[in-house]
Amino acid sequence: DGGITQSPKYLFRKEGQNVTLSCEQNLNHDAMYWYRQDPGQGLRLIYYSQIVNDFQKGDIAEGYSVSREKKESFPLTVTSAQKNPTAFYLCASSPLLAKNIQYFGAGTRLSVL
Amino acid sequence: KQEVTQIPAALSVPEGENLVLNCSFTDSAIYNLQWFRQDPGKGLTSLLLIQSSQREQTSGRLNASLDKSSGRSTLYIAASQPGDSATYLCAVQNTGNQFYFGTGTSLTVIP
Repeated sequence: DGGITQSPKYLFRKEGQNVTLSCEQNLNHDAMYWYRQDPGQGLRLIYYSQIVNDFQKGDIAEGYSVSREKKESFPLTVTSAQKNPTAFYLCASSPLLAKNIQYFGAGTRLSVL
Repeated sequence: KQEVTQIPAALSVPEGENLVLNCSFTDSAIYNLQWFRQDPGKGLTSLLLIQSSQREQTSGRLNASLDKSSGRSTLYIAASQPGDSATYLCAVQNTGNQFYFGTGTSLTVIP
């Protein structure tokens, strides 16, 4: 099946630990995005990438890092510098020439132990 | 910076009723507006996309309107069904391609 796969579905982080959320797509999309969703708030953009080996910060990039070594993969690392990481994280992708169309993964829920 | 607001935050209606969800945005210089559906613990699914030059879009029982000058959009759902229960989010895309999402309206349709 074509689509976006996020893993794991649930993730727990200990104090001072870095954790990495996986996002893989087989849609051959150039652009990929990471969003954070908190209760009662809309999605907020963390990072996005329009091409391999290139990415830009979104509105809330502090405490997060990304890489884009392959077109199909855009992992997000939540570092220990992110003091309030508990949230629902959504990955999305879009074709470069149709960036008004975003396809979303099923999300990863991150909690702090 | 674009701010997107959705009212009401939650809505509960009996099955069969028609309903309207509201979305407002502060910067009218948008490229398009989309309405998404999100089921609990899931990702988003696009329902309707309205380009900035359009006034409305329809898909089945759903109709979305856009008044760019006043910074408003509505999503009309006709003859609501229990399967329509979900959170509905609107998002505006600016000319720089970034999406700005609203806070969502949680809809419950009671059988």
